[in-house]
Amino acid sequence: DAGVIQSPRHEVTEMGQEVTLRCKPISGHNSLFWYRQTMMRGLELLIYFNNNVPIDDSGMPEDRFSAKMPNASFSTLKIQPSEPRDSAVYFCASTLTANRNQPQHFGDGTRLSIL
Amino acid sequence: GQQLNQSPQSMFIQEGEDVSMNCTSSSIFNTWLWYKQDPGEGPVLLIALYKAGELTSNGRLTAQFGITRKDSFLNISASIPSDVGIYFCAGPSNFGNEKLTFGTGTRLTIIP
Repeated sequence: DAGVIQSPRHEVTEMGQEVTLRCKPISGHNSLFWYRQTMMRGLELLIYFNNNVPIDDSGMPEDRFSAKMPNASFSTLKIQPSEPRDSAVYFCASTLTANRNQPQHFGDGTRLSIL
Repeated sequence: GQQLNQSPQSMFIQEGEDVSMNCTSSSIFNTWLWYKQDPGEGPVLLIALYKAGELTSNGRLTAQFGITRKDSFLNISASIPSDVGIYFCAGPSNFGNEKLTFGTGTRLTIIP
């Protein structure tokens, strides 16, 4: 079975540029999560969706960050304009919330470097 | 908000040794999860615990849900090179079972 698929795996861009990260959750999962991982702050939840609706975006750092989930099989996390402090690994995870025994399944992440 | 502190932060052990690590919380958890992250990959669930006092094994891994519900332990027996990675505990936040709080992580290095 295909897991959570993220793209790109690596992104290097100059500050001020727009960055778009993409995620395809596991088919049939109804919740999707975006995390950011850094050495200093560890793994932080940015936002999560349930049935394509944003439920909690309290972890989104600021207005430069936005996330969308137009359908059950696709989500994007956008940073505009990007800054060097946004450099991190961004993970997407999905789960089926109706069953508490279903864990969150993570993608392999996008390593973002803002120069 | 909730905090999960893991100890030790890092471990350097020889192949074949047993490993113990723990996770403590400032508040009660109803579920404890242990994830492992290999370099360049996302975290993968190892063990899930749902009841206080529960002891669960997955191969060489054994995890326990502390009686106080504020801590959990993970043990690895007879470590092998592929055990290298970062181990995270996690649990649902106060705001619903969907939102997880992750611990600070324990980085395991195995010395040949």
